[in-house]
Amino acid sequence: QSALTQPASVSGSPGQSITISCTGTSRDVGGYNLVSWYQQHPGRAPKLIIYEDTKRPSGVSNRFSGSKSGNTASLTISGPQAEDEADYYCCSFAGSIWVFGGGTKLTVL
Amino acid sequence: EVHLEQSGAEVKKPGESLKISCEASGYNFNFYWIAWVRQVPGKGLEWMGVIYAGDSHTTYSPSFQGQVIISADRSISTAYLQWSSLQASDTAIYYCARYDCGFDTCEKSSVVYGMNVWGQGTTVIVSS
Repeated sequence: QSALTQPASVSGSPGQSITISCTGTSRDVGGYNLVSWYQQHPGRAPKLIIYEDTKRPSGVSNRFSGSKSGNTASLTISGPQAEDEADYYCCSFAGSIWVFGGGTKLTVL
Repeated sequence: EVHLEQSGAEVKKPGESLKISCEASGYNFNFYWIAWVRQVPGKGLEWMGVIYAGDSHTTYSPSFQGQVIISADRSISTAYLQWSSLQASDTAIYYCARYDCGFDTCEKSSVVYGMNVWGQGTTVIVSS
């Protein structure tokens, strides 16, 4: 099972929206409504910020939103703040296992 | 408060065995899936496998099948990850994480949606 494909890095300023893509196959991303996204700051454990493609856990900022089209899921950060600078990972159910994307480093300009 | 407390950092030599732990508190351990996730220094997250604490049913990523063993002791609400013969390439931070299903308890057949509770990570260094 190959890792899901994410861009290595993205950047943006507080006035814009940033989108991180996560591309898989019909055996993972496209086959289930079970894509989740995790935020990880340096030296910290990951934190769940999106689940079931589009849902936000309680307490997660509404700057974060998720979407999916076919085999590609996306995480959008609207008006990123300095504290959003972190690594972001997508993760998808793949039949009996789960698979992560390679991760994307977000830089807030 | 739901919490996962992992065992401390380990420094081992190649060929040695190791078992690290993840102690759960604040919820009914038997009714949740616990996953293990590897992070090699400077690299991304890798899903290793998962165990349903209620009956110790395990599923491994093909990349880790045969390389590690995931187990659980329900009497002390603790999950484990173990190696019989470590290699330098096992040097990494290992996280345990609990899957959630949106309900107070998750039956084995429940659809789980993500890892919503994480341990603090255990650093394992394998060096001669």
